[in-house]
Amino acid sequence: DAGITQSPRHKVTETGTPVTLRCHQTENHRYMYWYRQDPGHGLRLIHYSYGVKDTDKGEVSDGYSVSRSKTEDFLLTLESATSSQTSVYFCAISGLAGVSYEQYFGPGTRLTVT
Amino acid sequence: QKEVEQDPGPLSVPEGAIVSLNCTYSNSAFQYFMWYRQYSRKGPELLMYTYSSGNKEDGRFTAQVDKSSKYISLFIRDSQPSDSATYLCALSTTSGTYKYIFGTGTRLKVLA
Repeated sequence: DAGITQSPRHKVTETGTPVTLRCHQTENHRYMYWYRQDPGHGLRLIHYSYGVKDTDKGEVSDGYSVSRSKTEDFLLTLESATSSQTSVYFCAISGLAGVSYEQYFGPGTRLTVT
Repeated sequence: QKEVEQDPGPLSVPEGAIVSLNCTYSNSAFQYFMWYRQYSRKGPELLMYTYSSGNKEDGRFTAQVDKSSKYISLFIRDSQPSDSATYLCALSTTSGTYKYIFGTGTRLKVLA
């Protein structure tokens, strides 16, 4: 268990509403990531963070923003949810003690936008 | 062309069989290679991690990297029904950004 949790685990929301997903880690990993997983596309990187207040875009960042004000928390915000953002969202962490490329995943958040 | 290609399966094998799962990639800058196992409705779980070319063994699992062919494999010996899951490969460069590219995953079914 890599000490990573996600909340909420399930959410149903309406088109146009803002949504924030939270990722929390307990092991002081430097890097944190948000992915979405969709059939036929696999895991695609939305945004990642390489330190507090340091974030960068991934391949599918449009419509998403992130914030990391503390080492342990990484928030993903959908400013105005759309049906195309219905997906399973995974948070991941890596870089404990700057040692390895091994990446560990949270349990996922299943988001449905109606 | 995708940076990483992986056959989606499903791949069905009898219990006890040797399973071979593969990914091909196009970017020769990839240096770190990982295999994840993902059970239905769960997060991916890191199985194997290798750097550069060669083999790495861990119990019933062997990861193999052939950089000249841009081809990586995961072998599972004595497969069990509990190995039924989706297996994803993930690759990373040494650029220092710790970004990973994932295959779409191969669904494996081991039949008892």
